[in-house]
Amino acid sequence: NAGVMQNPRHLVRRRGQEARLRCSPMKGHSHVYWYRQLPEEGLKFMVYLQKENIIDESGMPKERFSAEFPKEGPSILRIQQVVRGDSAAYFCASSPNEGYTFGSGTRLTVV
Amino acid sequence: RKEVEQDPGPFNVPEGATVAFNCTYSNSASQSFFWYRQDCRKEPKLLMSVYSSGNEDGRFTAQLNRASQYISLLIRDSKLSDSATYLCVVTPTSGGYNKLIFGAGTRLAVHP
Repeated sequence: NAGVMQNPRHLVRRRGQEARLRCSPMKGHSHVYWYRQLPEEGLKFMVYLQKENIIDESGMPKERFSAEFPKEGPSILRIQQVVRGDSAAYFCASSPNEGYTFGSGTRLTVV
Repeated sequence: RKEVEQDPGPFNVPEGATVAFNCTYSNSASQSFFWYRQDCRKEPKLLMSVYSSGNEDGRFTAQLNRASQYISLLIRDSKLSDSATYLCVVTPTSGGYNKLIFGAGTRLAVHP
């Protein structure tokens, strides 16, 4: 029973490129959350999705960021035209209803 | 004002010491409270939930004071393996789902 799988573990992008972060929730989990952790800071909520629906995106930057959780396949966090300030660890978590399991995260570095 | 505030530390303590972490939260209607542990560059892991009646898990004791909006974590007999960042976490009232609000964390370093 694999845990929450995130890939890639490390991602390097040049300024202006696109970053795609993937998250496969635990089997049977239909709720996915994305969090961002900037250096020396705590995790900040970005978005909460259920299958094919965005429930709460109050933590998402208004521009360049989008998220989806299709009927089939992993949840995707997409960052367009990355800037240096996007460099951070991005963690995904899944839950059935209550209780979280976090993935190992994707460390994005923008050069 | 941050929603969840913690002393960033670091706390440098010898093995066997007792150390206490404090946390305050701003939303008086917050529903649930937790302490998470995060090792360097890894995902946070749930350490324990926090209840008003207080709860204990081995060497760890957590306490919640709703009136003061204050949460504490006490670690007794510190081990080298306790070295990590401890994150205070609350959930807001709305939404009916578990959106977590994290503090910035308190760093603990236990030395021989």
